[in-house]
Amino acid sequence: EVQLVQSGAEVKKPGESLKISCKGSGYSFTSYWIGWVRQMPGKGLEWMGIIYPGDSDTRYSPSFQGQVTISADKSISTAYLQWSSLKASDTAMYYCARRSGIGWYFDLWGRGTLVTVSS
Amino acid sequence: QSALTQPASVSGSPGQSITISCTGTSSDVGGYNYVSWYQQHPGKAPKLMIYEVSNRPSGVSNRFSGSKSGNTASLTISGLQAEDEADYYCSSYTSSSAVVFGGGTKLTVL
Repeated sequence: EVQLVQSGAEVKKPGESLKISCKGSGYSFTSYWIGWVRQMPGKGLEWMGIIYPGDSDTRYSPSFQGQVTISADKSISTAYLQWSSLKASDTAMYYCARRSGIGWYFDLWGRGTLVTVSS
Repeated sequence: QSALTQPASVSGSPGQSITISCTGTSSDVGGYNYVSWYQQHPGKAPKLMIYEVSNRPSGVSNRFSGSKSGNTASLTISGLQAEDEADYYCSSYTSSSAVVFGGGTKLTVL
């Protein structure tokens, strides 16, 4: 089955670090870009950035550049989103999604990872 | 990069048709045929409904259609059904080699 499986929900304190994951299966992981999308509680979708696992070429939305790090380990078909110092405002659902081939749309989505940052 | 502009809410009765607009600029919606639409039910991940302005993925009902004129794209749902009640988001590629989403539209089936 073609799918993206995301890591489980996290509860963290402000200032802590975090790395969440997104594992692809059922397709050639290194041949498709993986994007990350934030959805704050009750709000809309925000594009954070995208990575090509084949060569780790990475692009960030200006809004998230310097705030998060996107990476991938192609040997285990997994993409990551990480924070070095979480803030309460990072509380959100985070989705990974596969960009389809040469088109700029996301045809496969993970179920999301809920990150809660609270003291 | 500012979010694309969508109406906050639309509504319609079963069987009717509704249209959701998505307005951007010549640097995104107007400049590329890379507009896509996503449906999101509460507590669920988004689902691709339309890609490259007017193409439907396999398995998506032909009641869903997309179009574009200038800097505004549109999603039309015909023969409205209760299961169509959800949030809808448009998205576009941009001249900055990025992706931008719309603010989302809540569809209510009366």
